Amino acid sequence: NAGVTQTPKFQVLKTGQSMTLQCAQDMNHEYMSWYRQDPGMGLRLIHYSVGAGITDQGEVPNGYNVSRSTTEDFPLRLLSAAPSQTSVYFCASSRDGNSYNSPLHFGNGTRLTVT
Amino acid sequence: GDSVTQMEGPVTLSEEAFLTINCTYTATGYPSLFWYVQYPGEGLQLLLKATKADDKGSNKGFEATYRKETTSFHLEKGSVQVSDSAVYFCALDTGTASKLTFGTGTRLQVTL
Repeated sequence: NAGVTQTPKFQVLKTGQSMTLQCAQDMNHEYMSWYRQDPGMGLRLIHYSVGAGITDQGEVPNGYNVSRSTTEDFPLRLLSAAPSQTSVYFCASSRDGNSYNSPLHFGNGTRLTVT
Repeated sequence: GDSVTQMEGPVTLSEEAFLTINCTYTATGYPSLFWYVQYPGEGLQLLLKATKADDKGSNKGFEATYRKETTSFHLEKGSVQVSDSAVYFCALDTGTASKLTFGTGTRLQVTL
C-alpha cells in the first residue's frame, strides 16, 4: 500500500518557469489537499478538493492552480515560479474530510527551490 | 481567526527525560485538537487527537489533554527515546474538509 506519493522529491526552478508537482493516492480517499511548509510558519493550506471535479482555495492560493480529474490524482501547478514559492510542499488525503474520524495522510514532500 | 501557538524549539533532552511541549490555541466554536509528528525526510503523521474538553489523547507513550479553560493541549511523555527525535506540530480543526490550522512546529532532539 503506497499511500500518498509525491513526485519529484526535489526540484530547482528559475524565476518564471512553470512546473507541476504530482500527487497520487491509492486509498480511494475523497479529500485531498496541498500544504506548504516554511520555517517559522508551520504548514499553510494552498488548495483542497473534496472530490473529483471539485476544488477550492485555502489560505495561500495565489500563484498556484489545481485540478482534480480523478479521485487518485491532485496535481499542483506553478504557472510562473517566484522565489517566494521556495518551500517544501506536502500533499495530503483523507477518507472524507472529517479530520477527526479520518485523519490526514501526508506524502513525503517535494522540496522546491526557485532561483 | 483560528490560530495555534507552540513553544519555540529546539528542545534538547537526554534519553529517559520527561517531555512537555506547550500548545495553546485560539478558535471560534469547539475545535478538535491534534498532534502530528514529522520524522526526518518524511511527511507528517497523526500522533494523537482529542475532540472535546477533558478528553485525553494518547499514543506511543505520548499524551495530551484538551483543556478548554486554559485553551491548551500540551504534549507530554514520561521517558523520551532517541527515536522520538522529530518535529511535533499542534493543530486544530473547527470546520469541515480537514482544513487544519497548524502551529509552527517544535523540534525535539533526544541524545544518549
